[in-house]
Amino acid sequence: DAEITQSPRHKITETGRQVTLACHQTWNHNNMFWYRQDLGHGLRLIHYSYGVQDTNKGEVSDGYSVSRSNTEDLPLTLESAASSQTSVYFCASSVGQGGEQFFGPGTRLTVL
Amino acid sequence: GEDVEQSLFLSVREGDSSVINCTYTDSSSTYLYWYKQEPGAGLQLLTYIFSNMDMKQDQRLTVLLNKKDKHLSLRIADTQTGDSAIYFCAETAYNAGNMLTFGGGTRLMVKP
Repeated sequence: DAEITQSPRHKITETGRQVTLACHQTWNHNNMFWYRQDLGHGLRLIHYSYGVQDTNKGEVSDGYSVSRSNTEDLPLTLESAASSQTSVYFCASSVGQGGEQFFGPGTRLTVL
Repeated sequence: GEDVEQSLFLSVREGDSSVINCTYTDSSSTYLYWYKQEPGAGLQLLTYIFSNMDMKQDQRLTVLLNKKDKHLSLRIADTQTGDSAIYFCAETAYNAGNMLTFGGGTRLMVKP
C-alpha cells in the first residue's frame, strides 16, 4: 500500500547541531509539505514543494531548509537547532488543487 | 494573514451529539476540511466541503457551512469514546496551491 513515512519518530539533539528529518511518500504526489505542531498554534506551515527542484517558504520558515531532488522525498533540515524548534513535525503530501493532504505519523524533536 | 479559529476544548457524554465550531476570515476559501488527530498520530481527513455547498452529511458526520458568517461546524451524532481526539478545521482557496491554513484544534473528550 502507498504510504507516507517519517524518520526518526523521536529525536533529541543539542542546541547548535544540524538536524535532518526525513519524509518519504510512495503515492507519487507532486505536492509535499512540512508543518510544525505546537500547543496553542495548531499546525503551521514551514516549507512546501510542488515538484522536483521546487521549494517554497511557509509561514514559519526561518531556521529551516528543504530540498526536493526526487518526487518521493522532502527532507527538512534545521541548520543550527534552537530550543524554540522543539516541536512535533508533520510531513504531508497531496496531488493537485484541493486534493486531500495525507499526513505522516510525525517526528517529535527535542532541542536541549 | 488569513486566520482560522476554534474553541480549545469540548466535553460530551457518550451517545450525545458533539458540535465543533470553526470560524475563518478568508472570503476566497474554496475548500474547507475537518481533520482528526488521535494521540501520537498524524492527521486524518474526516470530511470536507466545497464553498458552494451549505451542508454535507457522511454517516454520523454532518458539516454545516455558513459562508455569510464564515462559520463551519462539524456535528458528530451518537458520539462514542473512540471519537475522543483533536479535531482541526482547515481551509484553502482555489489559487492557494493546496496550502492549508489550520485552526488551533478542538480537543473532544467523550465521557462514558
